[in-house]
Amino acid sequence: ETGVTQTPRHLVMGMTNKKSLKCEQHLGHNAMYWYKQSAKKPLELMFVYSLEERVENNSVPSRFSPECPNSSHLFLHLHTLQPEDSALYLCASSPGTSGNSYNEQFFGPGTRLTVL
Amino acid sequence: KQEVTQIPAALSVPEGENLVLNCSFTDSAIYNLQWFRQDPGKGLTSLLLIQSSQREQTSGRLNASLDKSSGRSTLYIAASQPGDSATYLCAVNTGFQKLVFGTGTRLLVSP
Repeated sequence: ETGVTQTPRHLVMGMTNKKSLKCEQHLGHNAMYWYKQSAKKPLELMFVYSLEERVENNSVPSRFSPECPNSSHLFLHLHTLQPEDSALYLCASSPGTSGNSYNEQFFGPGTRLTVL
Repeated sequence: KQEVTQIPAALSVPEGENLVLNCSFTDSAIYNLQWFRQDPGKGLTSLLLIQSSQREQTSGRLNASLDKSSGRSTLYIAASQPGDSATYLCAVNTGFQKLVFGTGTRLLVSP
């Protein structure tokens, strides 16, 4: 596997279910991100992890719970979601978090989530 | 609050045309600007990254310019091909790799 991978690619869940999204990066990067892409809205940054420490939580509801056990893996735990949480969830990684050209973000293919 | 706008929202051109996609942002205090391509139902592919101190970047048929003081960037695609059909997104880095995205321009290049 190369680049950034995400599993599952598609997920359908009920509002009372608990599920997890997984992201893995094979690039040796130190920073990982979760984004949400809803229809007709810009991509929204949800969480940023740098060296396994959360450095950004963009006012995301507590029903979304991120976990970064090491610099290669990032999870998004989901529980009691709402239908409006249906979206494409994208994971990204970058070498670090400073604003220079070496910290370009690389994205995974996303998980298409549908909440019934 | 930083806001990013992309015009036009959709664009349809015949193969071979040169075209320009526009991106504007409200706060000029950015670290860099990145252009991405997104195919339907897929993730994002980075095309070009321009540092705030740079004026332009080129990669093959793509050229991106940045005018930070006026809050504008353009993506120029030369000799468009059907394979260029996708949604193009621009994003500005406001610090600590926090990217603020526009809503994108959906491009269709017909043979």
